[in-house]
Amino acid sequence: DIQMTQSPSSLSASVGDRVTITCRASQDISNYLNWYQQKPGKAPKLLIYDASNLETGVPSRFSGGGSGTDFTFTVSSLQPEDFATYYCQQYDNLRGAVQFGQGTRLEIK
Amino acid sequence: EVQLVESGGGLVQPGRSLRLSCAASGFTFGDNAMHWVRQAPGKGLEWVSAITWNGGIIDYADSVKGRFTISRDNAKNSLYLQMNSLLPEDTALYYCAKGLARLGYWGQGTLVTVSS
Repeated sequence: DIQMTQSPSSLSASVGDRVTITCRASQDISNYLNWYQQKPGKAPKLLIYDASNLETGVPSRFSGGGSGTDFTFTVSSLQPEDFATYYCQQYDNLRGAVQFGQGTRLEIK
Repeated sequence: EVQLVESGGGLVQPGRSLRLSCAASGFTFGDNAMHWVRQAPGKGLEWVSAITWNGGIIDYADSVKGRFTISRDNAKNSLYLQMNSLLPEDTALYYCAKGLARLGYWGQGTLVTVSS
């Protein structure tokens, strides 16, 4: 099975800061990597798909990059509503399975 | 508007069974793969199971393989998860989600608590 390692597990930042989260796959997953935002008491929301594509309606301050085994997720200028938990997710196209990273809790400094 | 509404959760004793349902609307359910994802209290997201549009590909996490069965009824726009031999560690909020490689829409979840 493909393992996903997401870091950091938590992050403190201020409004206006630029933050980056990384996700590493245990083997090449091409660009089958998505990013989600989850706020307390809410379902996850898809932000970035296929490593770097912005989901419709998602602000452009969110971006993603990478391919193969190493991926990044960046918020260019944090807004108050961005403080949440973020997850990466890979798709195994041979099985139909998906795997989530451990999550990154982004907190206000 | 895409809507996914889970139901069937509740308190159940270890070793018993429960069947979750997910009612879909606002899109062509029969054209879409679906997933079940769970989240234990205070923990991260854990993928549970997936089924393609026609049930041709079905897969499970190792933690539920042999105990859980995913199914769908495209005529009823519904997704199901039959959960047998439940364990305390199955306690979680269970979400259904639409998509194959990316999960673009999620329900609000149904809570399953396994406890004696």
